[in-house]
Amino acid sequence: QQQVKQSPQSLIVQKGGIPIINCAYENTAFDYFPWYQQFPGKGPALLIAIRPDVSEKKEGRFTISFNKSAKQFSLHIMDSQPGDSATYFCAASRGGSSNTGKLIFGQGTTLQVKP
Amino acid sequence: NAGVTQTPKFRVLKTGQSMTLLCAQDMNHEYMYWYRQDPGMGLRLIHYSVGEGTTAKGEVPDGYNVSRLKKQNFLLGLESAAPSQTSVYFCASSYSRVVWSTEAFFGQGTRLTVV
Repeated sequence: QQQVKQSPQSLIVQKGGIPIINCAYENTAFDYFPWYQQFPGKGPALLIAIRPDVSEKKEGRFTISFNKSAKQFSLHIMDSQPGDSATYFCAASRGGSSNTGKLIFGQGTTLQVKP
Repeated sequence: NAGVTQTPKFRVLKTGQSMTLLCAQDMNHEYMYWYRQDPGMGLRLIHYSVGEGTTAKGEVPDGYNVSRLKKQNFLLGLESAAPSQTSVYFCASSYSRVVWSTEAFFGQGTRLTVV
């Protein structure tokens, strides 16, 4: 059972466009929602993360929007560049006293930004 | 500062052979993880460890064993490799003293093919 569902599987945009990647989760105990970026041949690296007590977080051109009631969150990339071409993973984990750092990942989205 | 280092980077095994993947981190992290990455499946947790001498099962533990004899090392073993274990394996570590934020640092991956 996939606890975190991610869509779309792949995405192609023109330079300057705003790709949006969506994720939905099931477990209401999740309270930490990071996005990881992975370039070919490399390991994933943390891009941006949000906790459920805020509805939006921005870091540079990357924005997470969070809807707790719908159990959904999304990544927006403003003014996308060819260098943003990568695979993006959403994830979720539980914090608090049961925190073991285990991340449950979505299926991944391969983004291509055309020049 | 090397971060998380995995060896080997590539390996081809015959069905039934055994092997050990080594992960080493130099960040003094308490928590370490082994994930496998398959197309369309995202990253799935195999086993994890919250400290030296402790290990626990993740989402897909069957066919794998792990050991954490030293804090900086986390070993993943395949006793009798099967073609279904063909995948890219990632090791990660995190320092989970902060209640909700558990940034994981990933290695470069090991591409394993079982024929």
